[in-house]
Amino acid sequence: AQTVTQSQPEMSVQEAETVTLSCTYDTSESDYYLFWYKQPPSRQMILVIRQEAYKQQNATENRFSVNFQKAAKSFSLKISDSQLGDAAMYFCAYVNSNSGYALNFGKGTSLLVTP
Amino acid sequence: DAGVIQSPRHEVTEMGQEVTLRCKPISGHNSLFWYRQTMMRGLELLIYFNNNVPIDDSGMPEDRFSAKMPNASFSTLKIQPSEPRDSAVYFCASSLDGGFRPDTQYFGPGTRLTVL
Repeated sequence: AQTVTQSQPEMSVQEAETVTLSCTYDTSESDYYLFWYKQPPSRQMILVIRQEAYKQQNATENRFSVNFQKAAKSFSLKISDSQLGDAAMYFCAYVNSNSGYALNFGKGTSLLVTP
Repeated sequence: DAGVIQSPRHEVTEMGQEVTLRCKPISGHNSLFWYRQTMMRGLELLIYFNNNVPIDDSGMPEDRFSAKMPNASFSTLKIQPSEPRDSAVYFCASSLDGGFRPDTQYFGPGTRLTVL
């Protein structure tokens, strides 16, 4: 079974600064997808970024980028120039490409952004 | 473009009552998922439909839970009878699967269910 671990229950960052959220996962598969979802107080689950395991290049979406280390099974999210609107729960998720469909989620990291 | 639509957004009911949650997936998507989010267990998959057919319902807690997808644009999750431990946020998500590879799942706003 695949497991996703987010070791930081809470993180804090000052506005305009950079923060990195950690995620590790355990799998015996070689082909899979990884995601970061954001859940603000409204509860909506919003896709932040997606990474295909077969791609060596780290995904980026504006101020959001990932550091994907396949050998280490690590998938961290970097938020640059943090904004107050970035405050939310962030969930790392994994899905197996070959036969998977269910997203396996980590427990989440609560990000606080201070002015 | 409308995203995944769920109703109601909030539901408060008493133990023993029937509860029906509704979902309209993104138009053109052929896969639909129901997830439940609780503090204790986090986000967990309840059931997965592909082309309106239930593929995996192993996450459905017990016989009190049932889900249907009568057509490509509508799904329901029913709890009968409801119990306090069913209190949670229920999410519907949809994706467009190309057949071999899973695609990004887009989530609805969720339904917060409280069973008294």
